[in-house]
Amino acid sequence: DAGVTQSPTHLIKTRGQQVTLRCSPKSGHDTVSWYQQALGQGPQFIFQYYEEEERQRGNFPDRFSGHQFPNYSSELNVNALLLGDSALYLCASSPRRGSHEQYFGPGTRLTVT
Amino acid sequence: AQRVTQPEKLLSVFKGAPVELKCNYSYSGSPELFWYVQYSRQRLQLLLRHISRESIKGFTADLNKGETSFHLKKPFAQEEDSAMYYCALLRGTSYGKLTFGQGTILTVHP
Repeated sequence: DAGVTQSPTHLIKTRGQQVTLRCSPKSGHDTVSWYQQALGQGPQFIFQYYEEEERQRGNFPDRFSGHQFPNYSSELNVNALLLGDSALYLCASSPRRGSHEQYFGPGTRLTVT
Repeated sequence: AQRVTQPEKLLSVFKGAPVELKCNYSYSGSPELFWYVQYSRQRLQLLLRHISRESIKGFTADLNKGETSFHLKKPFAQEEDSAMYYCALLRGTSYGKLTFGQGTILTVHP
């Protein structure tokens, strides 16, 4: 089992563009959470998906949206990119909603110029 | 709102010395507390959680509700302990929404 996988590894976008990041959870996991980690900071919770619905959301604007597919994989979409969106985006999966076991992926490094 | 504070950005010790990484939290309810670790070029991984009361790689952490602290301790640091350590809090009803501290970089010198 490769664990949680994320793609792409890194990408560069221009301010105002839109971006889609992808995550495949660990085998047997059905809940996916997304975090943003700015340089020098701890991860900040964006939202969580379970049964293809957004279940919880952190303090992020509507420009951040997501989706979960029937195979439990997930996408994070960010519209109208700002310079401040530059960060490492982490995906974490867990075996069931409410579990403390969160397994993290390697992250996608997004740079907005 | 809940908050996790790790007052030390950097912590340096010598091999064999005791180490303590501080974590304080603010939350009015009964939280679950965790320590996550990120070794160089590796992904973030769970080190230990307070409810299990276990020792992992020689590390222990005790939840002190009176002082709202969850400090991570190890009596004899090893060079392989050098990493970034994050303290994290989970609210009882937050279904997996972790609140992280800013992290402490631990360097263990030979």
